[in-house]
Amino acid sequence: EAGVTQFPSHSVIEKGQTVTLRCDPISGHDNLYWYRRVMGKEIKFLLHFVKESKQDESGMPNNRFLAERTGGTYSTLKVQPAELEDSGVYFCASSQEVSRVHGYTFGSGTRLTVV
Amino acid sequence: AQSVTQPDIHITVSEGASLELRCNYSYGATPYLFWYVQSPGQGLQLLLKYFSGDTLVQGIKGFEAEFKRSQSSFNLRKPSVHWSDAAEYFCAVGPSAFLRDKIIFGKGTRLHILP
Repeated sequence: EAGVTQFPSHSVIEKGQTVTLRCDPISGHDNLYWYRRVMGKEIKFLLHFVKESKQDESGMPNNRFLAERTGGTYSTLKVQPAELEDSGVYFCASSQEVSRVHGYTFGSGTRLTVV
Repeated sequence: AQSVTQPDIHITVSEGASLELRCNYSYGATPYLFWYVQSPGQGLQLLLKYFSGDTLVQGIKGFEAEFKRSQSSFNLRKPSVHWSDAAEYFCAVGPSAFLRDKIIFGKGTRLHILP
């Protein structure tokens, strides 16, 4: 079984540019989550999709961040325009509906550096 | 508010020595507790989890953790560490109906292994 796949693994962009991160969950997992860890801080929740619907987006920091999951398969997280404080590691995770309490399966993350 | 505290940012132990990583949580009910590990260049991997029952839980890679309700703690232990255990370890609480599907992470403890 393929795991959660994220790409790119690294991205370096200039302040003001746009970046799009992609996450491919494990096949059949309806729940998809985005988390991020900025330097020296905790890993924090961004949002949760159930299929193509946003179940909880309370962790999205501001309207420069846009997450989509068209068709309920892969998801994208766009940052536009990027700011320096957006630098960090962005993690995606997925789970089956009935196993969400058993912990998610995380991807390897995308390290975003805004210069 | 729910929170997770990992008081040690860095810990250094010699290969073959025993290890204990501390974790304290704040949560209004019986929590779901997790330990995740992130090795260099890898994603977050679930080491072990506690939901109920036996308060000593066994995980992968020879790790175990003990839930102590009276101390609000969930410390991770390993009797003899290997150089490959060098990584960052995260204690986490959730998800639950109260937290919806969020996981609350601690800030992490980076483990260094001396040869």
